Amino acid sequence: DARVTQTPRDKVTEMGQEVTMRCQPILGHNTVFWYRQTMMQGLELLAYFRNRAPLDDSGMPKDRFSAEMPDATLATLKIQPSEPRDSAVYFCASGLGQGVLNTEAFFGQGTRLTVV
Amino acid sequence: TQLLEQSPQFLSIQEGENLTVYCNSSSVFSSLQWYRQEPGEGPVLLVTVVTGGEVKKLKRLTFQFGDARKDSSLHITAAQPGDTGLYLCAGTREQTGANNLFFGTGTRLTVIP
Repeated sequence: DARVTQTPRDKVTEMGQEVTMRCQPILGHNTVFWYRQTMMQGLELLAYFRNRAPLDDSGMPKDRFSAEMPDATLATLKIQPSEPRDSAVYFCASGLGQGVLNTEAFFGQGTRLTVV
Repeated sequence: TQLLEQSPQFLSIQEGENLTVYCNSSSVFSSLQWYRQEPGEGPVLLVTVVTGGEVKKLKRLTFQFGDARKDSSLHITAAQPGDTGLYLCAGTREQTGANNLFFGTGTRLTVIP
């Protein structure tokens, strides 16, 4: 049963600490998205990769956030230093980005981050 | 400013009633999708519409893409408690080489038994 796997599921950390969230996309998918979901802002697109190359990270605060794909089976999102306003659920999604009919995004279960 | 605005934001109805949720934008989209999200889970795709004016039906759910491909609607007939959830529209903008998927503000539906 193919699915996107995110770790950890929950993370509580103190302000100023580094946070790393990991995502294993579905095997064979060439597109990876990172989203942040809050009650106030909804689902915000943070970064978008195609074939491991970042195509758009304009939604991501560059001073503290970074997203990478070290290989096709791993995507990471780091926050350093973390701040209370970063508290949210972070979702990773993968898909086949070959054309408009292939932009279905398969989501992981998310990482619930709480920064105290 | 959200690219895709959904209305209503919250909707609470009795089982058996009909409802319509709207997704509007000033931008043109090459495709538009509807997702449903349940607590503690990620969104799950319901449908993708591509052609202006397209109508797709999924059991009691009817999805329509506006003629100008700037808006969409989701109509649910005879709502059931199992329809409860957060409904999200998501669009891919007409932009060469890009498949960014932007999500709407969401409609939180509660169907009361």
